[in-house]
Amino acid sequence: GAGVSQTPSNKVTEKGKYVELRCDPISGHTALYWYRQSLGQGPEFLIYFQGTGAADDSGLPNDRFFAVRPEGSVSTLKIQRTERGDSAVYLCASSPDGTLRTQYFGPGTRLTVL
Amino acid sequence: DAKTTQPNSMESNEEEPVHLPCNHSTISGTDYIHWYRQLPSQGPEYVIHGLTSNVNNRMASLAIAEDRKSSTLILHRATLRDAAVYYCILREHASGGSYIPTFGRGTSLIVHP
Repeated sequence: GAGVSQTPSNKVTEKGKYVELRCDPISGHTALYWYRQSLGQGPEFLIYFQGTGAADDSGLPNDRFFAVRPEGSVSTLKIQRTERGDSAVYLCASSPDGTLRTQYFGPGTRLTVL
Repeated sequence: DAKTTQPNSMESNEEEPVHLPCNHSTISGTDYIHWYRQLPSQGPEYVIHGLTSNVNNRMASLAIAEDRKSSTLILHRATLRDAAVYYCILREHASGGSYIPTFGRGTSLIVHP
């Protein structure tokens, strides 16, 4: 079946611009996660949704970052006033039950802020 | 939070076994040990997990020390497709019905033909 998909695969933007990154989870998965991965580092947790609500947003670095999942399926990560330090790969994962071994990751969106 | 320590990189030849170590000296009694790997330009994927006993699956084996302060992921015959970053993760940061992993930097495995 279809895995987690993320669009776009690459996004180049200018400092100060607004960007939206989309995640399509595996159908039926209630849990959805966003991570950020900088070069040479492991993924860092940003936010976790259970259904439509954000159950844990403790990893969001500041108020320029926001994520939504209005219908409990597709999620959008929104970054306002982008900064060069936001350049990274943004990974999305989904899970049917919230256990570590059932988190299925998408290929990521590579964001470059010039 | 329990922390893990892994070597930055390891090398192996194709068809040879690979033993990837992980130290987790502050592990608690209820922490499961998970391994994920990340192939180039892909998201991480689950490999194996265990609590106390050694575990085997189609991808790898997990050997857990008796005191649980270290573990070893074993690839029995490395292939070029096994070249990836391998992450040892303890189940932690329980939140709202889920567990949020802390990945660390992992071990970059290089496989030579």
